[in-house]
Amino acid sequence: QTVVTQEPSFSVSPGGTVTLTCGLSSGSVSTSSYPSWYQQTPGQAPRRLIYTTNTRSSGVPDRFSGSILGNKAALTITGAQADDESHYYCMLYMGSGIWMFGGGTKLTVL
Amino acid sequence: QVQLVESGGGVVQTGGSLRLSCAASGFTFSSYGIHWVRQAPGKGLEWVANLQKDGINKYYADSVKGRVTISTDNPKNTLYLQVNSLTTEDTAVYYCARDQGWASDIWGQGTMVTVSS
Repeated sequence: QTVVTQEPSFSVSPGGTVTLTCGLSSGSVSTSSYPSWYQQTPGQAPRRLIYTTNTRSSGVPDRFSGSILGNKAALTITGAQADDESHYYCMLYMGSGIWMFGGGTKLTVL
Repeated sequence: QVQLVESGGGVVQTGGSLRLSCAASGFTFSSYGIHWVRQAPGKGLEWVANLQKDGINKYYADSVKGRVTISTDNPKNTLYLQVNSLTTEDTAVYYCARDQGWASDIWGQGTMVTVSS
């Protein structure tokens, strides 16, 4: 069965740029996968950051951007801040009404 | 205020059943699709099920197919998730989330389901 892959962890310095990716164990991510990205801090519900590849949700700072890089979806944080330290999840549409989350990336800002 | 509120979680024994509720306010939920997503303690998010905004088409993850059913009560603006034959692997916080723009824009606070053996 195809799974959605994300880096388990990533580290970025304050003010730095980091790109998290979201791929498929088999196949490529495209805009037809409708990739979306979510931020989750401990004990809280997820918050949508990006949807349909690169549309920023209302109220999300413009340092967050989404794209397709090669055969993966990507979330780039430009000018990382301390409160960006969170777990980040991507969600992909797999077809036939089925959706799937990646395993999540724990981002550390230090 | 646009919000979703889940309820119905609790402690249940292996093999038991639960019906989770997702009450919508501030919008007409029959105009949107709704996802159920769960998160086991210390683990990532897992997509569980989806009711499309047509109110007819329902889809389930392989991990729960055959044990889970979505239903609705439109006058109450409420969606339900019936989960049967519970195992310890079903222990998780269960979230409902509104589907908008091919993604989940509004999330509830979650309801905890604990399955004990």
